[in-house]
Amino acid sequence: DAGITQSPRHKVTETGTPVTLRCHQTENHRYMYWYRQDPGHGLRLIHYSYGVKDTDKGEVSDGYSVSRSKTEDFLLTLESATSSQTSVYFCAISATTTAPNEQFFGPGTRLTVL
Amino acid sequence: AQSVSQHNHHVILSEAASLELGCNYSYGGTVNLFWYVQYPGQHLQLLLKYFSGDPLVKGIKGFEAEFIKSKFSFNLRKPSVQWSDTAEYFCAVKDGNNRLAFGKGNQVVVIP
Repeated sequence: DAGITQSPRHKVTETGTPVTLRCHQTENHRYMYWYRQDPGHGLRLIHYSYGVKDTDKGEVSDGYSVSRSKTEDFLLTLESATSSQTSVYFCAISATTTAPNEQFFGPGTRLTVL
Repeated sequence: AQSVSQHNHHVILSEAASLELGCNYSYGGTVNLFWYVQYPGQHLQLLLKYFSGDPLVKGIKGFEAEFIKSKFSFNLRKPSVQWSDTAEYFCAVKDGNNRLAFGKGNQVVVIP
């Protein structure tokens, strides 16, 4: 398995509180991604990064921000959590844009917003 | 942007039955296609991928997929399933920005 860890693995929080999820990789891959997984929706891209300090929005970026100050860490922040952000969040990494360029996924973080 | 359609969201079948899961994608130039599997409580793992060459791709655990360009399809097959194949299966297509677009998934339950 690729060296990807996510923390925390489970979190329960209240509406309106800020939450930060961390993705850490030991593979020195350039590309990192944050997805959310919801029943009936598959995985949807929130934000991604193509290098240190280089990030861009995915299809469901509203209410989320990211930061990447080091190659190995990609942080996802919910500035003010809402119940609609209850989900399982997966981080993924990819080495390159040219083939083979599959993404490798972390173990996930289950977030519940009450 | 690429989009991916997966049909028959819930599939229930008996051990030794054959499995075929459909995947259709929107055209967007050169395609890189993937099937991922997610076992209960686990993260996504790559089953197989297609980049170029032979359109029949063989992956892990006896799975294979066929890329049919004229039909914009990348269907997943396994001739004889086992109880351990119970999982959710996702088709994905890579766009020009190295982002993956996922289908909504197929929940497969194999009955012993």
